[in-house]
Amino acid sequence: GAVVSQHPSRVICKSGTSVKIECRSLDFQATTMFWYRQFPKQSLMLMATSNEGSKATYEQGVEKDKFLINHASLTLSTLTVTSAHPEDSSFYICSAVPTSGGFYEQYFGPGTRLTVT
Amino acid sequence: GNSVTQMEGPVTLSEEAFLTINCTYTATGYPSLFWYVQYPGEGLQLLLKATKADDKGSNKGFEATYRKETTSFHLEKGSVQVSDSAVYFCALSDHSSASKIIFGSGTRLSIRP
Repeated sequence: GAVVSQHPSRVICKSGTSVKIECRSLDFQATTMFWYRQFPKQSLMLMATSNEGSKATYEQGVEKDKFLINHASLTLSTLTVTSAHPEDSSFYICSAVPTSGGFYEQYFGPGTRLTVT
Repeated sequence: GNSVTQMEGPVTLSEEAFLTINCTYTATGYPSLFWYVQYPGEGLQLLLKATKADDKGSNKGFEATYRKETTSFHLEKGSVQVSDSAVYFCALSDHSSASKIIFGSGTRLSIRP
């Protein structure tokens, strides 16, 4: 089946530093990937839509200069949290839409737990 | 705007019990509705979907019917197993935004042997 990986699965960083999270589609190509954020006991909040070869589209209220998204290939999208602060601590999840797939196909990664100290 | 509300968990049941997880939605137009499941340590997986009113989605013994009159999409299973223990998310997709999904808060289900 279609598999999406995320790396790292957990990361702890100090306040003020930047952290990069990778999202890879392992056995399919994905023109579109999504980045979500999940707070404890809350729903997944869509942060941005990442399209290969073009700029990401951010949801209202998401700071594009803080959450940098790069989708440089059909199998890799990265999310960089710049100048991280404790309030950025969260669970970040990506999903990938197969280029050749149907409208409702979307495969999710296992998530990355970010803790900013 | 569009939103999804689902019952809070955790829900704890004994094996072979009947399961219902309530889900209601608010949306303009005619969204598609989904249930996703997240097993421990894994990514979200699509469990079932329904794309129009009165459609019934089903998979692995789970069912949900798209009820437009009550704006609901409740998840049911007649006899749960320990392996069904997971977090379940109700979700909708607005057709105006291809593939964008809006999720409910998730319901953690634990099944006792």
